[in-house]
Amino acid sequence: DTAVSQTPKYLVTQMGNDKSIKCEQNLGHDTMYWYKQDSKKFLKIMFSYNNKELIINETVPNRFSPKSPDKAHLNLHINSLELGDSAVYFCASSQGKDQPQHFGDGTRLSIL
Amino acid sequence: QKEVEQDPGPLSVPEGAIVSLNCTYSNSAFQYFMWYRQYSRKGPELLMYTYSSGNKEDGRFTAQVDKSSKYISLFIRDSQPSDSATYLCAPGSSNTGKLIFGQGTTLQVKP
Repeated sequence: DTAVSQTPKYLVTQMGNDKSIKCEQNLGHDTMYWYKQDSKKFLKIMFSYNNKELIINETVPNRFSPKSPDKAHLNLHINSLELGDSAVYFCASSQGKDQPQHFGDGTRLSIL
Repeated sequence: QKEVEQDPGPLSVPEGAIVSLNCTYSNSAFQYFMWYRQYSRKGPELLMYTYSSGNKEDGRFTAQVDKSSKYISLFIRDSQPSDSATYLCAPGSSNTGKLIFGQGTTLQVKP
């Protein structure tokens, strides 16, 4: 009964590949987020969706494309992976854009 | 200058100590303030949140916000070894809907 779940937990792949990360929340929230946490532990917002509409789109390479098929799901597709994409990617959700956000346990992406 | 500054530590205290964790921020547009705890290889876990200046208490935790000096604090009373984690402050703006996270302070509570 995990509130925010991400798959896969670990992703090891080669440079140039395309990969997807999936997120699901069972909290009934209407807003979902993708964050990137780099090796120095800084957690930075990448995207946010509210009721399947993109509301935050930070300065992120267009190789990153989020998709929200419904309120409970937010996926992240990454094309042409680069070494600098190695990080932990966190999904989060909230009931409204200024409400507390609840995080998943992250997807650890390593690029070889 | 980063929008949100936190001393990364590590901060090491004996069990039972009172811990003070602090953050400063530069953007006066921030209207709400959250504290998260992150254990190693886990996601951030919401500890406290407040939408106003002043103190908010929840069990052993007290969050304090001073908007005039742009200063945020989290106090932990009777600290336990299980409190050993990284603590992230995250102010946010209702206009943008964004939380801006500090780097986090690593806390070690020694038995």
